[in-house]
Amino acid sequence: DAKTTQPTSMDCAEGRAANLPCNHSTISGNEYVYWYRQIHSQGPQYIIHGLKNNETNEMASLIITEDRKSSTLILPHATLRDTAVYYCIVRAAGGNEKLTFGTGTRLTIIP
Amino acid sequence: NAGVTQTPKFRVLKTGQSMTLLCAQDMNHEYMYWYRQDPGMGLRLIHYSVGEGTTAKGEVPDGYNVSRLKKQNFLLGLESAAPSQTSVYFCASSPTRRGEQYFGPGTRLTVT
Repeated sequence: DAKTTQPTSMDCAEGRAANLPCNHSTISGNEYVYWYRQIHSQGPQYIIHGLKNNETNEMASLIITEDRKSSTLILPHATLRDTAVYYCIVRAAGGNEKLTFGTGTRLTIIP
Repeated sequence: NAGVTQTPKFRVLKTGQSMTLLCAQDMNHEYMYWYRQDPGMGLRLIHYSVGEGTTAKGEVPDGYNVSRLKKQNFLLGLESAAPSQTSVYFCASSPTRRGEQYFGPGTRLTVT
């Protein structure tokens, strides 16, 4: 599975859009981009995933660049409850079962 | 629909004791996983199962055993606990091999 690079931490004002970047320059054609988050002491929560098209669900939007070497998770209207560690994970469609969690981005929403 | 539940939530063991962690899911998922998370680190896969009656090793399987006798349950056993196994253990399930994984609330285990 391709390696990902994320900023260690970010702040965002409450009510604003939070944009979390992820670099995955060695991604292969069959690898998906997954985003999870982990709120303090809780189990990780799946947010969204995509292959090459932009995706949107009730939680967030995922923007993947045309060359697929990077992506951005967008939380449109951040709330205090969005404070968490966000993990960007690249995983092959037919690969092994594990999700490789790195150290992620610690997002703090500022009141 | 409770999702993924884990029992117990907390446990303290002495070195050499044994215990079993129970994971249950009510979503009829085929795939189940056990991870551990140490302070300041990401999750590491211990064992996983691709269906009832099957198990496979993850990246850190030593010192653990698992069983999947029923589709909805995935048990993680520690036969002889060691302080290095002090961690938070998370169970997850997934409907497909490529699907998103749904995590339980975790079990905090301390081995003294």
